[in-house]
Amino acid sequence: AQSVSQHNHHVILSEAASLELGCNYSYGGTVNLFWYVQYPGQHLQLLLKYFSGDPLVKGIKGFEAEFIKSKFSFNLRKPSVQWSDTAEYFCAVNAPSGGSYIPTFGRGTSLIVHP
Amino acid sequence: DAGVIQSPRHEVTEMGQEVTLRCKPISGHDYLFWYRQTMMRGLELLIYFNNNVPIDDSGMPEDRFSAKMPNASFSTLKIQPSEPRDSAVYFCASSLFITGELFFGEGSRLTVL
Repeated sequence: AQSVSQHNHHVILSEAASLELGCNYSYGGTVNLFWYVQYPGQHLQLLLKYFSGDPLVKGIKGFEAEFIKSKFSFNLRKPSVQWSDTAEYFCAVNAPSGGSYIPTFGRGTSLIVHP
Repeated sequence: DAGVIQSPRHEVTEMGQEVTLRCKPISGHDYLFWYRQTMMRGLELLIYFNNNVPIDDSGMPEDRFSAKMPNASFSTLKIQPSEPRDSAVYFCASSLFITGELFFGEGSRLTVL
């Protein structure tokens, strides 16, 4: 079964600091990759996605992620965080598993940004 | 456009009671997913449907859990009997394609006392 690992469970930053959240997955073939964000008390919503093409993907609110196939990684970055970025961030992978496609999520990273 | 609609938003019940959670996917989406979110285990896929047919229910924890999708616009997740360890937020999500973006509902927060 495929798995998704997010290395940082809790991250605390000050405003204007740079952010990088790690994500690694286990499937060796073609994958679709996603980052979702869950603001406090809200549902998950898409930040960005990668299907193919340019491995550097730009999403909403200044976020970007880089797909590195050789490292099975899809790390999320933002050059300068804001207080409003405080949220839970989930990496997700969609790949074949046992004859069907299973969208699998990482455990999530809780980001707190201090003003 | 209306997003994925879940009800109830909050449910508090006593151990042993039956719980039914409801979901209306986005119109035209062929795939519907039920996830459970807890602090200990994160987001777990319970089951997903394609065109109202259950495709993979390997994530359903045990026989106390059941899910149905009688038509393209409605799905239920039922727990009977409920137990305190079932306390979690249950999310429904829908998608146009199996490999595409998931659109999540607001979630149903279940507390079993």
